[in-house]
Amino acid sequence: NAGVTQTPKFQVLKTGQSMTLQCAQDMNHEYMSWYRQDPGMGLRLIHYSVGAGITDQGEVPNGYNVSRSTTEDFPLRLLSAAPSQTSVYFCASRRHGTDYNEQFFGPGTRLTVL
Amino acid sequence: DAKTTQPTSMDCAEGRAANLPCNHSTISGNEYVYWYRQIHSQGPQYIIHGLKNNETNEMASLIITEDRKSSTLILPHATLRDTAVYYCIEKNGGGTSYGKLTFGQGTILTVHP
Repeated sequence: NAGVTQTPKFQVLKTGQSMTLQCAQDMNHEYMSWYRQDPGMGLRLIHYSVGAGITDQGEVPNGYNVSRSTTEDFPLRLLSAAPSQTSVYFCASRRHGTDYNEQFFGPGTRLTVL
Repeated sequence: DAKTTQPTSMDCAEGRAANLPCNHSTISGNEYVYWYRQIHSQGPQYIIHGLKNNETNEMASLIITEDRKSSTLILPHATLRDTAVYYCIEKNGGGTSYGKLTFGQGTILTVHP
Protein backbone atom coordinates (compact mmCIF):
# COMPACT_ATOMS: atom_id res chain seq x y z
CA ASN A 1 0.00 0.00 0.00
CA ALA A 2 1.13 3.53 -0.76
CA GLY A 3 -0.67 4.78 2.37
CA VAL A 4 -1.65 8.45 2.32
CA THR A 5 -0.28 10.45 -0.59
CA GLN A 6 -0.37 14.20 -1.08
CA THR A 7 0.36 16.37 -4.09
CA PRO A 8 2.02 18.71 -4.67
CA LYS A 9 4.84 18.66 -2.13
CA PHE A 10 5.54 22.36 -2.56
CA GLN A 11 3.45 25.19 -3.98
CA VAL A 12 3.81 28.96 -4.25
CA LEU A 13 0.71 31.03 -4.95
CA LYS A 14 -0.04 34.69 -5.35
CA THR A 15 -2.74 36.30 -3.24
CA GLY A 16 -6.14 35.68 -4.78
CA GLN A 17 -5.18 32.59 -6.75
CA SER A 18 -7.05 29.35 -6.28
CA MET A 19 -5.74 25.83 -6.11
CA THR A 20 -6.54 22.31 -4.95
CA LEU A 21 -4.39 20.21 -2.68
CA GLN A 22 -4.79 16.56 -3.47
CA CYS A 23 -4.98 13.74 -0.94
CA ALA A 24 -5.51 10.05 -1.64
CA GLN A 25 -5.38 6.87 0.40
CA ASP A 26 -5.47 3.25 -0.69
CA MET A 27 -6.34 1.65 2.66
CA ASN A 28 -10.13 1.88 2.24
CA HIS A 29 -10.34 4.17 5.27
CA GLU A 30 -13.70 5.77 5.96
CA TYR A 31 -12.34 8.77 7.86
CA MET A 32 -10.16 11.43 6.25
CA SER A 33 -9.12 14.84 7.47
CA TRP A 34 -7.04 17.91 6.69
CA TYR A 35 -4.79 19.71 9.15
CA ARG A 36 -2.60 22.76 8.87
CA GLN A 37 0.57 23.37 10.82
CA ASP A 38 2.07 26.79 11.29
CA PRO A 39 5.67 27.32 12.49
CA GLY A 40 6.20 26.28 16.10
CA MET A 41 2.62 25.14 16.51
CA GLY A 42 0.74 21.90 16.66
CA LEU A 43 -1.64 20.74 13.97
CA ARG A 44 -5.09 22.30 13.65
CA LEU A 45 -8.02 20.52 12.06
CA ILE A 46 -9.51 22.21 8.97
CA HIS A 47 -12.13 19.80 7.63
CA TYR A 48 -12.90 16.13 7.98
CA SER A 49 -15.03 13.45 6.38
CA VAL A 50 -16.47 10.24 7.81
CA GLY A 51 -17.26 8.76 4.41
CA ALA A 52 -18.03 9.49 0.79
CA GLY A 53 -20.51 12.33 0.48
CA ILE A 54 -20.12 13.46 4.11
CA THR A 55 -17.91 16.34 5.23
CA ASP A 56 -17.80 18.61 8.24
CA GLN A 57 -15.85 21.57 9.55
CA GLY A 58 -12.99 21.38 11.97
CA GLU A 59 -11.33 24.06 14.06
CA VAL A 60 -10.16 26.41 11.27
CA PRO A 61 -12.39 25.90 8.18
CA ASN A 62 -12.60 29.48 6.85
CA GLY A 63 -11.11 29.92 3.40
CA TYR A 64 -11.15 26.20 2.57
CA ASN A 65 -13.61 23.90 0.85
CA VAL A 66 -13.65 20.11 0.68
CA SER A 67 -15.64 17.37 -0.99
CA ARG A 68 -15.58 13.59 -0.74
CA SER A 69 -16.92 11.96 -3.89
CA THR A 70 -14.98 8.71 -3.40
CA THR A 71 -13.59 6.82 -0.43
CA GLU A 72 -10.05 7.23 -1.73
CA ASP A 73 -9.83 10.98 -2.40
CA PHE A 74 -10.30 14.06 -0.23
CA PRO A 75 -9.16 17.25 -2.00
CA LEU A 76 -8.79 20.58 -0.20
CA ARG A 77 -9.61 23.71 -2.19
CA LEU A 78 -8.39 27.22 -1.57
CA LEU A 79 -10.77 29.51 -3.43
CA SER A 80 -8.84 32.77 -3.01
CA ALA A 81 -5.46 32.29 -1.38
CA ALA A 82 -4.33 34.69 1.34
CA PRO A 83 -0.89 35.09 2.98
CA SER A 84 -2.44 33.82 6.23
CA GLN A 85 -2.86 30.45 4.52
CA THR A 86 0.89 30.00 4.21
CA SER A 87 1.39 26.77 6.09
CA VAL A 88 2.16 23.07 5.88
CA TYR A 89 -0.92 21.00 5.14
CA PHE A 90 -1.30 17.41 6.23
CA CYS A 91 -3.93 14.93 5.16
CA ALA A 92 -4.76 11.95 7.37
CA SER A 93 -6.96 8.88 7.28
CA ARG A 94 -8.11 6.09 9.58
CA ARG A 95 -10.61 3.30 9.79
CA HIS A 96 -13.83 4.21 11.51
CA GLY A 97 -14.69 2.38 14.71
CA THR A 98 -13.23 1.77 18.13
CA ASP A 99 -10.79 -0.95 17.03
CA TYR A 100 -8.99 1.23 14.53
CA ASN A 101 -7.42 4.11 16.40
CA GLU A 102 -4.24 4.74 14.46
CA GLN A 103 -4.41 7.74 12.18
CA PHE A 104 -2.11 7.73 9.16
CA PHE A 105 -0.68 11.02 7.93
CA GLY A 106 0.60 12.00 4.53
CA PRO A 107 3.98 13.68 3.94
CA GLY A 108 2.51 17.18 3.74
CA THR A 109 2.19 20.02 1.24
CA ARG A 110 4.20 23.15 1.92
CA LEU A 111 2.24 26.15 0.67
CA THR A 112 3.50 29.72 0.44
CA VAL A 113 1.12 32.54 -0.47
CA LEU A 114 2.81 35.76 -1.54
CA ASP B 1 -11.09 17.04 23.94
CA ALA B 2 -9.35 18.45 27.02
CA LYS B 3 -5.88 19.95 26.98
CA THR B 4 -2.71 18.14 28.02
CA THR B 5 0.47 19.64 29.48
CA GLN B 6 3.94 18.56 28.40
CA PRO B 7 7.44 19.93 28.96
CA THR B 8 8.63 22.06 26.08
CA SER B 9 11.85 20.13 25.53
CA MET B 10 13.90 17.21 26.82
CA ASP B 11 17.28 15.69 26.11
CA CYS B 12 18.33 12.06 26.18
CA ALA B 13 21.57 10.20 25.55
CA GLU B 14 21.57 7.65 22.77
CA GLY B 15 20.94 4.14 24.08
CA ARG B 16 19.31 5.36 27.26
CA ALA B 17 15.61 5.32 28.04
CA ALA B 18 13.66 8.46 27.20
CA ASN B 19 10.80 9.16 29.61
CA LEU B 20 8.35 11.77 28.36
CA PRO B 21 5.76 12.96 30.88
CA CYS B 22 2.28 14.27 30.20
CA ASN B 23 -0.30 15.77 32.53
CA HIS B 24 -3.99 15.34 31.74
CA SER B 25 -5.58 16.19 35.06
CA THR B 26 -9.04 16.86 33.57
CA ILE B 27 -9.29 13.68 31.54
CA SER B 28 -12.73 12.07 31.57
CA GLY B 29 -13.53 8.43 31.99
CA ASN B 30 -14.05 7.67 28.30
CA GLU B 31 -11.03 9.56 27.01
CA TYR B 32 -7.94 7.75 25.85
CA VAL B 33 -4.37 9.03 25.97
CA TYR B 34 -2.68 8.94 22.57
CA TRP B 35 0.93 9.60 21.66
CA TYR B 36 2.10 10.72 18.24
CA ARG B 37 5.46 12.00 17.15
CA GLN B 38 6.56 14.22 14.29
CA ILE B 39 10.04 13.92 12.91
CA HIS B 40 11.24 17.11 11.25
CA SER B 41 9.25 18.02 8.11
CA GLN B 42 7.29 14.76 8.13
CA GLY B 43 3.69 13.94 8.95
CA PRO B 44 2.86 12.82 12.50
CA GLN B 45 3.30 9.16 13.29
CA TYR B 46 1.16 7.16 15.71
CA ILE B 47 3.09 5.61 18.61
CA ILE B 48 0.72 4.16 21.18
CA HIS B 49 -2.50 4.76 23.09
CA GLY B 50 -4.14 3.62 26.32
CA LEU B 51 -7.16 4.08 28.55
CA LYS B 52 -6.10 3.04 32.06
CA ASN B 53 -3.84 0.03 31.77
CA ASN B 54 -0.18 0.24 30.88
CA GLU B 55 0.50 -0.55 27.25
CA THR B 56 3.54 -1.71 25.30
CA ASN B 57 4.22 -2.16 21.62
CA GLU B 58 7.27 -2.43 19.41
CA MET B 59 7.91 1.29 19.59
CA ALA B 60 7.28 2.29 23.19
CA SER B 61 5.61 1.73 26.54
CA LEU B 62 2.87 3.86 28.04
CA ILE B 63 2.54 4.11 31.80
CA ILE B 64 -0.72 5.66 33.06
CA THR B 65 -1.11 6.58 36.73
CA GLU B 66 -3.90 4.96 38.67
CA ASP B 67 -5.86 8.23 38.89
CA ARG B 68 -5.32 8.72 35.13
CA LYS B 69 -4.21 12.31 35.65
CA SER B 70 -0.80 11.77 34.13
CA SER B 71 1.15 9.37 31.97
CA THR B 72 4.67 8.69 30.77
CA LEU B 73 5.80 7.56 27.35
CA ILE B 74 8.93 5.45 27.51
CA LEU B 75 11.27 4.86 24.60
CA PRO B 76 13.43 2.09 26.09
CA HIS B 77 16.58 2.56 24.02
CA ALA B 78 16.53 5.95 22.33
CA THR B 79 18.33 6.39 19.03
CA LEU B 80 19.20 9.51 17.06
CA ARG B 81 16.22 8.75 14.81
CA ASP B 82 13.91 9.24 17.79
CA THR B 83 14.68 12.97 17.80
CA ALA B 84 11.24 14.48 17.17
CA VAL B 85 8.33 16.41 18.63
CA TYR B 86 6.17 14.12 20.78
CA TYR B 87 2.50 14.91 21.22
CA CYS B 88 0.33 13.64 24.07
CA ILE B 89 -3.35 13.84 23.10
CA GLU B 90 -6.61 13.06 24.83
CA LYS B 91 -9.55 11.91 22.79
CA ASN B 92 -12.71 9.94 23.02
CA GLY B 93 -12.65 6.32 21.94
CA GLY B 94 -12.27 5.70 18.23
CA GLY B 95 -15.76 5.83 16.86
CA THR B 96 -17.48 8.55 18.85
CA SER B 97 -15.32 11.57 17.99
CA TYR B 98 -14.61 10.58 14.39
CA GLY B 99 -10.88 10.54 14.98
CA LYS B 100 -10.43 14.24 15.58
CA LEU B 101 -7.06 14.89 17.20
CA THR B 102 -6.29 18.07 19.11
CA PHE B 103 -2.55 18.72 18.97
CA GLY B 104 -0.82 20.90 21.54
CA GLN B 105 2.76 22.17 21.41
CA GLY B 106 4.29 18.81 22.27
CA THR B 107 7.73 18.00 23.69
CA ILE B 108 10.83 18.40 21.56
CA LEU B 109 12.98 15.35 22.34
CA THR B 110 16.61 15.61 21.30
CA VAL B 111 18.67 12.44 21.43
CA HIS B 112 22.41 13.09 21.71
CA PRO B 113 25.23 10.74 20.63
